[in-house]
Amino acid sequence: ILNVEQSPQSLHVQEGDSTNFTCSFPSSNFYALHWYRWETAKSPEALFVMTLNGDEKKKGRISATLNTKEGYSYLYIKGSQPEDSATYLCACRDTGGFKTIFGAGTRLFVKA
Amino acid sequence: KAGVTQTPRYLIKTRGQQVTLSCSPISGHRSVSWYQQTPGQGLQFLFEYFSETQRNKGNFPGRFSGRQFSNSRSEMNVSTLELGDSALYLCASSSHQTSGGGGYTFGSGTRLTVV
Repeated sequence: ILNVEQSPQSLHVQEGDSTNFTCSFPSSNFYALHWYRWETAKSPEALFVMTLNGDEKKKGRISATLNTKEGYSYLYIKGSQPEDSATYLCACRDTGGFKTIFGAGTRLFVKA
Repeated sequence: KAGVTQTPRYLIKTRGQQVTLSCSPISGHRSVSWYQQTPGQGLQFLFEYFSETQRNKGNFPGRFSGRQFSNSRSEMNVSTLELGDSALYLCASSSHQTSGGGGYTFGSGTRLTVV
């Protein structure tokens, strides 16, 4: 069973703080790990897709790392801004399963 | 290029009725997945289609069904609606056969309310 867990469930930070979230997934039969940002009243937007152990990706102030051997990924936001307020979803796809399973998300609130 | 289009955006149905939701993927995308989101829940996997074939189905009752057409457009159908089917239904398309390799582009969703 492919079970994806995210922590924390929600996070309140001040503008300028740096923060990080965790995504845990089964390390066996791993194929790909996705991160999405979902703002209120919008559609989830892809941030990163990672497939290789040790992958690190960066987009502006947001970066992500992947450890497939121990089954976790971290998403980092440097210098949080109010516009970063959103739900951050991670999703995992295993080999041969033909389905991508999402975690419940981390809800980030950035206060100005 | 046009994004993923879902219709209708909003829908109100009565218990016992059936409903059909439509999803048009990005041109050239052959993989379509459907997800359900209810309050307090994450995205729950419903189906994945590729080239008109359902490749996997989530843990939903048989009242939930779907299909994909030769132009990659997809529909999902829910029969004998229950109050608990009230949710946001999201469609996502991918250009990769393995879907997971390229990430998804999501539609705006269909908000279904069952009364």
